[in-house]
Amino acid sequence: AAGVIQSPRHLIKEKRETATLKCYPIPRHDTVYWYQQGPGQDPQFLISFYEKMQSDKGSIPDRFSAQQFSDYHSELNMSSLELGDSALYFCASSFLAGGRNNEQFFGPGTRLTVL
Amino acid sequence: GENVEQHPSTLSVQEGDSAVIKCTYSDSASNYFPWYKQELGKRPQLIIDIRSNVGEKKDQRIAVTLNKTAKHFSLHITETQPEDSAVYFCAASDRGSTLGRLYFGRGTQLTVWP
Repeated sequence: AAGVIQSPRHLIKEKRETATLKCYPIPRHDTVYWYQQGPGQDPQFLISFYEKMQSDKGSIPDRFSAQQFSDYHSELNMSSLELGDSALYFCASSFLAGGRNNEQFFGPGTRLTVL
Repeated sequence: GENVEQHPSTLSVQEGDSAVIKCTYSDSASNYFPWYKQELGKRPQLIIDIRSNVGEKKDQRIAVTLNKTAKHFSLHITETQPEDSAVYFCAASDRGSTLGRLYFGRGTQLTVWP
């Protein structure tokens, strides 16, 4: 079965640079979530999209922005990178239109290292 | 917002023993409670979930119980195996205004000794 795809898997950037992370949800899933996980920490919700519209916003810095495109893939844009942005970034997808299911399936993650 | 607390933070058991991880949540609107297993550097993988209209759910060696009144839920793993060693996260969400965002506990590092 198709899973959530994320690219790139690893990314190394310098401070103050920009980064773009991509996420391709499971086909027919209508909701995408982005989470940030620091070393030894739990995943923290950043932002989500339902049917290509931003549906919820969490602890996402103003330096970050995200969008979901017509083909349902999503991109997380990160600017003015700081050392503290080094983390695993997970995208998860879900199907909410059915009214009941909340299962979120996580992608393999992008490991961002800021030097 | 929702606050999920998870205990213990580390748990060591002998192979074949049972392991129990407990979580509490604060928001009575939460109605979906998944458990994820995460190996080092890998993605969180859903192992079992429970909805607020059910008190218990079992899948082979794994079971989850939910007490809505007390706002707590627990993961039970029986006949543990070394392959069960990982970090386990509980989470809570609702389908209201937050459209399913997951609030995670801080995780439990489970180590199963052969």
